[in-house]
Amino acid sequence: AQTVTQSQPEMSVQEAETVTLSCTYDTSESDYYLFWYKQPPSRQMILVIRQEAYKQQNATENRFSVNFQKAAKSFSLKISDSQLGDAAMYFCAYSNTGNQFYFGTGTSLTVIP
Amino acid sequence: GAVVSQHPSRVICKSGTSVKIECRSLDFQATTMFWYRQFPKKSLMLMATSNEGSKATYEQGVEKDKFLINHASLTLSTLTVTSAHPEDSSFYICSAHSPDSPNYEQYFGPGTRLTVT
Repeated sequence: AQTVTQSQPEMSVQEAETVTLSCTYDTSESDYYLFWYKQPPSRQMILVIRQEAYKQQNATENRFSVNFQKAAKSFSLKISDSQLGDAAMYFCAYSNTGNQFYFGTGTSLTVIP
Repeated sequence: GAVVSQHPSRVICKSGTSVKIECRSLDFQATTMFWYRQFPKKSLMLMATSNEGSKATYEQGVEKDKFLINHASLTLSTLTVTSAHPEDSSFYICSAHSPDSPNYEQYFGPGTRLTVT
């Protein structure tokens, strides 16, 4: 069964600094998608970034980028120039069919002014 | 695009009563909808997957007679918590998947906070 592991329950970063959130996963599939979702205090899940496993190039969305290491089954999220609004729970997720997502346990990010 | 709504956003009900939560895809047709439960500061736990026009598939440990799911149309799925008890108090989130989405993405509703007194 697929599992997604986030080993950092809590992280903090100074405003304007860079932080990296870790995620590892386990799968025997070769084709799949990986996602990072943000859940602010409002509890609305917001897609931050996605990565297709068949793409070697790391995905980037403005201040957010990933380090995708397929062989190591690692998918970390880097947030650059951290802003107060980045404070939230971050969930890593895996899907290989679109019909089921596997979520990690989440990392609570605090941004220190 | 790809907006999912949930109604109500908050509901308080008495123990023993039933409560219905609606999940709607507003601008796309969702062949598959998912229902999650989330405890405070915890991850999302998939409860069931519903496909339009067919019975929902429940995850192991989820009581199908207690959590009734109906996906009657391509834009609406409902979750009914029957004979609710205080331990059913939680945050319930739905998501929807569009077959037109090229990236396996799920679109999430804003969630419903259920409190059973």
